[in-house]
Amino acid sequence: DQQVKQNSPSLSVQEGRISILNCDYTNSMFDYFLWYKKYPAEGPTFLISISSIKDKNEDGRFTVFLNKSAKHLSLHIVPSQPGDSAVYFCAASANFGNEKLTFGTGTRLTIIP
Amino acid sequence: SQTIHQWPATLVQPVGSPLSLECTVEGTSNPNLYWYRQAAGRGLQLLFYSVGIGQISSEVPQNLSASRPQDRQFILSSKKLLLSDSGFYLCAWGLGRAISGNTIYFGEGSWLTVV
Repeated sequence: DQQVKQNSPSLSVQEGRISILNCDYTNSMFDYFLWYKKYPAEGPTFLISISSIKDKNEDGRFTVFLNKSAKHLSLHIVPSQPGDSAVYFCAASANFGNEKLTFGTGTRLTIIP
Repeated sequence: SQTIHQWPATLVQPVGSPLSLECTVEGTSNPNLYWYRQAAGRGLQLLFYSVGIGQISSEVPQNLSASRPQDRQFILSSKKLLLSDSGFYLCAWGLGRAISGNTIYFGEGSWLTVV
């Protein structure tokens, strides 16, 4: 039962353009969402997060949008840079006290110079 | 600042052999600790988490076990490895929703190949 889904396993974007990565979830108890970036053979690094009380959070080139009614979130990267090429994981947690995260399967983003 | 280390970084083990992966966190106390696994072509699967010394919760039934002998030490073990145990193992820590939101921070990862 995949509670967090990233339906696009890969995405290629031209350098300087906008990258949009999507994530859907099914568990209505999720109230906190995060994006992680992962390079090969390294641990994931935290990128940006959003609480369910908001519908948008911005940090520099990265913006996360949350649509609770659709149970959908997206990560926008503008402008895309070659160093953004990595696998991006969407994660979600429910308010049970700890940060136990449920991850999606990841989307491999390739920025084309 | 807080840091997390896990080792070994890479290991190749025969089927049926034991396993021990170790993780330590520095610069904080009483962290929540996690073991995740990324199998080939798969997402990150939570295996175990711990909210304190000796307190281990298992998420997925399997032949792996975890222990937390000290506050900032988390160990992943197996008595007999299976081929299906191959993957990239990640340790992570967090301080709980009230302190650090729901963000957890990962170690460098350990590549395990069972042959």
